[in-house]
Amino acid sequence: SQTIHQWPATLVQPVGSPLSLECTVEGTSNPNLYWYRQAAGRGLQLLFYSVGIGQISSEVPQNLSASRPQDRQFILSSKKLLLSDSGFYLCAWSLGINYGYTFGSGTRLTVV
Amino acid sequence: SQQGEEDPQALSIQEGENATMNCSYKTSINNLQWYRQNSGRGLVHLILIRSNEREKHSGRLRVTLDTSKKSSSLLITASRAADTASYFCATARNTDKLIFGTGTRLQVFP
Repeated sequence: SQTIHQWPATLVQPVGSPLSLECTVEGTSNPNLYWYRQAAGRGLQLLFYSVGIGQISSEVPQNLSASRPQDRQFILSSKKLLLSDSGFYLCAWSLGINYGYTFGSGTRLTVV
Repeated sequence: SQQGEEDPQALSIQEGENATMNCSYKTSINNLQWYRQNSGRGLVHLILIRSNEREKHSGRLRVTLDTSKKSSSLLITASRAADTASYFCATARNTDKLIFGTGTRLQVFP
């Protein structure tokens, strides 16, 4: 069966520090991968998505970047965090437009 | 940008009652999906309805889609306390990405 792992669950980082959030998928090949951010009490904002290794599409200009070094690994990074980067980050995968998404359990990031 | 808008923003009902949530969107779609999110957790996929479908059922869930009005509804029948969560609609156009609405917070009281 397919599973998705996302870590860490919570993270408190100082302003200006780097960030690396990792997401891995098991049990499927060549999934589409997604990073979303959710502000408190709000909907989800699509940040990045990838349809293959090394292919990254950015949806929102910001202080973050994403990489897909392996087929089932998706990494969200920042060189210098801002207070506005705080939020709940969710990774997800799907097999394409006609399929639902499977989400990870999320990372709650607080930048202080 | 967010494609879908859910209505109401919050809904409180008693166990056993039905809960109806609505979603409106702005552009043509390939499909519309509904998700549930328990507090502080990831989202769980509930149901997908394609643009050429009008109604779909899954257990106690019933989803309708009216593409002429660009709207969808999610009905949860005989609600339970465990149904307490936020519910989101999401639309897929002709690309492999979902755009989510703002969500409806459902509270079911025992």
